[in-house]
Amino acid sequence: DTEVTQTPKHLVMGMTNKKSLKCEQHMGHRAMYWYKQKAKKPPELMFVYSYEKLSINESVPSRFSPECPNSSLLNLHLHALQPEDSALYLCASSRPGQGGRELFFGEGSRLTVL
Amino acid sequence: SQQGEEDPQALSIQEGENATMNCSYKTSINNLQWYRQNSGRGLVHLILIRSNEREKHSGRLRVTLDTSKKSSSLLITASRAADTASYFCATVSQGGKLIFGQGTELSVKP
Repeated sequence: DTEVTQTPKHLVMGMTNKKSLKCEQHMGHRAMYWYKQKAKKPPELMFVYSYEKLSINESVPSRFSPECPNSSLLNLHLHALQPEDSALYLCASSRPGQGGRELFFGEGSRLTVL
Repeated sequence: SQQGEEDPQALSIQEGENATMNCSYKTSINNLQWYRQNSGRGLVHLILIRSNEREKHSGRLRVTLDTSKKSSSLLITASRAADTASYFCATVSQGGKLIFGQGTELSVKP
């Protein structure tokens, strides 16, 4: 069982909808991540939060809006998405710091945009 | 892409056989990590090898790292059907981003 919890597990939305993906961890990690993964491809980094501040944005379109309300929670707000945004969205957490840390992943939220 | 390739892209073996996957990368690294992903699930960290290490073991896993060739290999010994999954190597960029390789899809047949 993962210690990173993502909700919902599945989400279907139209292109005009507004929805949010949620991620929670209670391991005391101060770095949290959003990755996007298409079928049979590796995860692609979207955003990194370190100590609740956005530290990396991989030129993600503004229709994806991340939010880190506190050290345990990470949200991804979705608005006016396109069908090509359909993918598995993975949240991860780690201890922050240089040199690369082990990431703990949630089970993902499978998003379908109609 | 700053990350290299993994090979093979797909590997099918019988239970009990060994499975070897290779990963190449392009930039200098502090460490290299291997992850497993069961179909449609999250990734699970398997092992981390630092740039000053050449080999590391964890249970049935053996990882090697050759920084002169910018390559790593993951060996799973005495494979089981439950090892069926995708395996990704990952390295950290200079910007501190963990970047994944293309992955190897392993199928272990009972």
